[in-house]
Amino acid sequence: GENVEQHPSTLSVQEGDSAVIKCTYSDSASNYFPWYKQELGKGPQLIIDIRSNVGEKKDQRIAVTLNKTAKHFSLHITETQPEDSAVYFCAAGKVAGGFKTIFGAGTRLFVKA
Amino acid sequence: GAVVSQHPSWVICKSGTSVKIECRSLDFQATTMFWYRQFPKQSLMLMATSNEGSKATYEQGVEKDKFLINHASLTLSTLTVTSAHPEDSSFYICSAQPRDTNYEQYFGPGTRLTVT
Repeated sequence: GENVEQHPSTLSVQEGDSAVIKCTYSDSASNYFPWYKQELGKGPQLIIDIRSNVGEKKDQRIAVTLNKTAKHFSLHITETQPEDSAVYFCAAGKVAGGFKTIFGAGTRLFVKA
Repeated sequence: GAVVSQHPSWVICKSGTSVKIECRSLDFQATTMFWYRQFPKQSLMLMATSNEGSKATYEQGVEKDKFLINHASLTLSTLTVTSAHPEDSSFYICSAQPRDTNYEQYFGPGTRLTVT
């Protein structure tokens, strides 16, 4: 069935360093790839997304890359700050047949001051 | 913009009772709303998709008679957990998709249900 794998499950970095989270998806019909940040006890917050007709997108310290051929997409956070500490979820979505999003298992990011 | 609220934020109920959770899109109209369930330290699991004015579409393994979904307006969807049992205790999160997009969805803050 449709699947999204996310790695690593836990990531610890020093403040100021970069953090990279990688995901792969199985459904070649997926054409929308959002990333969400979830803080403890809260709902996920959309931080950046990319569509299949774009290979890279950047928003300040956050960037996402997409390789449709390999079915890989990655989140890059530069100059990490303690407030970046949270759980990050990647997802793969498609509109065909009704919008549906499959989520990765999540990455717990710790940014040490 | 794109704010989604949920009410209540947490609820404790006794086994056998029913609990209703509301999901509202505050500053946009949502033709589609989604209901997710999340266990501690796990990912979001889609339970059902609801479209305004029509019956919800449930994911495989989700009991539609136990998790009643109503999407009565373009800004409100409700999830009712009927005859709740301790195994229904979880974090329930809704999301709403603005009517002018096919992709983005915005999540509510979640509702923590504890069944005793």
